[in-house]
Amino acid sequence: DIVMTQSPSSLAVSAGETVTINCKSSQSLFGSVRQKNYLAWYQQKPGQSPKLLIYLASTRESGVPDRFIGSGSGTDFTLTISSVQAEDLANYYCQQYYDTPYTFGAGTKLELK
Amino acid sequence: QVRLKESGPRLVQPSQTLSVTCTVSGFSVTSYHVSWVRQPPGKGLEWVGAIWKGGSTDYNSALKSRLSISRDTSKNQVFLKMNSLQTDDTGTYYCAKHGNGPFAYWGQGTLVTVSS
Repeated sequence: DIVMTQSPSSLAVSAGETVTINCKSSQSLFGSVRQKNYLAWYQQKPGQSPKLLIYLASTRESGVPDRFIGSGSGTDFTLTISSVQAEDLANYYCQQYYDTPYTFGAGTKLELK
Repeated sequence: QVRLKESGPRLVQPSQTLSVTCTVSGFSVTSYHVSWVRQPPGKGLEWVGAIWKGGSTDYNSALKSRLSISRDTSKNQVFLKMNSLQTDDTGTYYCAKHGNGPFAYWGQGTLVTVSS
């Protein structure tokens, strides 16, 4: 199974700050056929279902604000949230869909400082 | 409009079998894959398994011996059955629609508590 290691587990921020969440996979998520990385980021607010933010490591889902930026390739990936807003306080998860079993990172809780 | 809705018992006794139904609308389960994901209270997400659009299944290896995913294409429903439940199976069970990619659509989830 591909292990997804996410860090940090929690992050305290002030509104307007830029934050970075890291995700490392135990094997490359780069698919040679499509030349893409099969990595997604989700946001989950309390009491809600996860919401897809980013797929193919860097493509924003429709309607996702451009302050959410996904980057990385191979085994190392990053979610950057620029100018954090109060509505961004949530849990964030990375997920690999390169191979089954699909696996998620343990999550990063974004809290208000 | 794509919708998924999970339904099932809120309370299951230890050693019993959990049955959860995912009823979908806005797409056909023969055109898209449906996965199950669970989340223990206050913890992270765990992929449970999937039924592919062609009808074959794939399971989390840690749960495979206790798990069955099936579907009724005429009703556009997907079923999760897990036997020999233990307290650490407590959590919210989600179904999600996807193509050969990430999970763009999720149900609201159903909270299942395993307790006597």
